[in-house]
Amino acid sequence: NAGVTQTPKFQVLKTGQSMTLQCAQDMNHNSMYWYRQDPGMGLRLIYYSASEGTTDKGEVPNGYNVSRLNKREFSLRLESAAPSQTSVYFCASKGELTSYEQYFGPGTRLTVT
Amino acid sequence: AQSVTQLDSQVPVFEEAPVELRCNYSSSVSVYLFWYVQYPNQGLQLLLKYLSGSTLVKSINGFEAEFNKSQTSFHLRKPSVHISDTAEYFCAVTPNRDDKIIFGKGTRLHILP
Repeated sequence: NAGVTQTPKFQVLKTGQSMTLQCAQDMNHNSMYWYRQDPGMGLRLIYYSASEGTTDKGEVPNGYNVSRLNKREFSLRLESAAPSQTSVYFCASKGELTSYEQYFGPGTRLTVT
Repeated sequence: AQSVTQLDSQVPVFEEAPVELRCNYSSSVSVYLFWYVQYPNQGLQLLLKYLSGSTLVKSINGFEAEFNKSQTSFHLRKPSVHISDTAEYFCAVTPNRDDKIIFGKGTRLHILP
């Protein structure tokens, strides 16, 4: 099992450009999450999806959109990147409600200039 | 609403010395508690968790944490640290049967030779 995979690993964008961060998991998990990690801020939830076909806003959703393409894949889109979106982005997944443990991908380091 | 406070942003400690990383939480409902570890340039991985039962939980690499309901704390301890323990440690809480996890801001553990 590859677990949770994310592409790309690194990306540099200019202000106003758009891009999609891809995430896939092969553990047949129902729930998937997107976080951003900034120094001294911990992890902040952007969006999550409790099951295929559903998505909900987290703590910091502004400037982002998501798509739960199927049970395996959950993508995060930046329509018009801003320097404030420079961050490390992590995707995570979780199985049944009683498992509670989240499994994280390796992250995408995004710089917006 | 739930919140997590990690009282120290950085903790320096000499190799083979004991360490305690502090975590306090607030919640009006019962919660499950977690410690995640993030090694340099990696995603987060679960270190240990408290769901129910014994209030003292242990990891395979010598860490332990004790759930103290009266003090709303879940401090992480290790009696003797190794250079390989250099990482950032995140305390997290989830309300029972909730799909989301709330993370603290993290504590960076520096091991001094």
